[in-house]
Amino acid sequence: QSVLTQPPSVSGAPGQRVTISCTGSSSNIGAGYDVHWYQQLPGTAPKLLIYVNSNRPSGVPDRFSGSKSGTSASLAITGLQAEDEADYYCQSYDSSLSGYVFGTGTKVTVL
Amino acid sequence: EVQLVESGGGLVQPGGSLRLSCAASGFTFSNYWMSWVRQAPGKGLEWVANIKQDGSEKYYVDSVKGRFTISRDNAKNSLYLQMNSLRAEDTAVYYCARVTYYYDSSGYGVDWFDPWGQGTLVTVSS
Repeated sequence: QSVLTQPPSVSGAPGQRVTISCTGSSSNIGAGYDVHWYQQLPGTAPKLLIYVNSNRPSGVPDRFSGSKSGTSASLAITGLQAEDEADYYCQSYDSSLSGYVFGTGTKVTVL
Repeated sequence: EVQLVESGGGLVQPGGSLRLSCAASGFTFSNYWMSWVRQAPGKGLEWVANIKQDGSEKYYVDSVKGRFTISRDNAKNSLYLQMNSLRAEDTAVYYCARVTYYYDSSGYGVDWFDPWGQGTLVTVSS
């Protein structure tokens, strides 16, 4: 049950900047729950990319950045590289559902 | 190295049962909540269930309540998911994930999934 909405796809040329939105509601992001982002390379398991809205785990390039405002969050990739082609998911907690929720997912294509 | 390795997936008929396992290593398993997250073929991620460090609290997504049971054995560093009354819509790759957390003295707390196992495929079909 995806209650967080993301664009199905975004694309950009190498070196460009792309952003992925994650839109929630007053029972999840708007209620103050933090947002995390995961990267899923083709055929592999998801990997944590950003935690608590804007923090990068060690090993994640600083090309990736996150932000949160109101009922939405965003992931930005600057200096897009071919290796960034993957699916990206946001995740938060929903008080109405009493459970964790994921975004619908966004496929990033490097042109 | 922190590692999670799932096993137990396979083909099962509708109405059947299956038990998934997740072997954890590289961290103190008994200190962490653990989760199962699934991904239907070509679809997005869906949280399935959570279990507290000592197994005293368990939470499920509505679609599996009454059919799935999450459990753990801290002595064996293992997480389990017993799946009964399986349906076609349960077909998915099932991932085991550690719930990594941060809490401070003000009462603020937040958690996220890290790391994830490689997943095990469950196919429900006749």
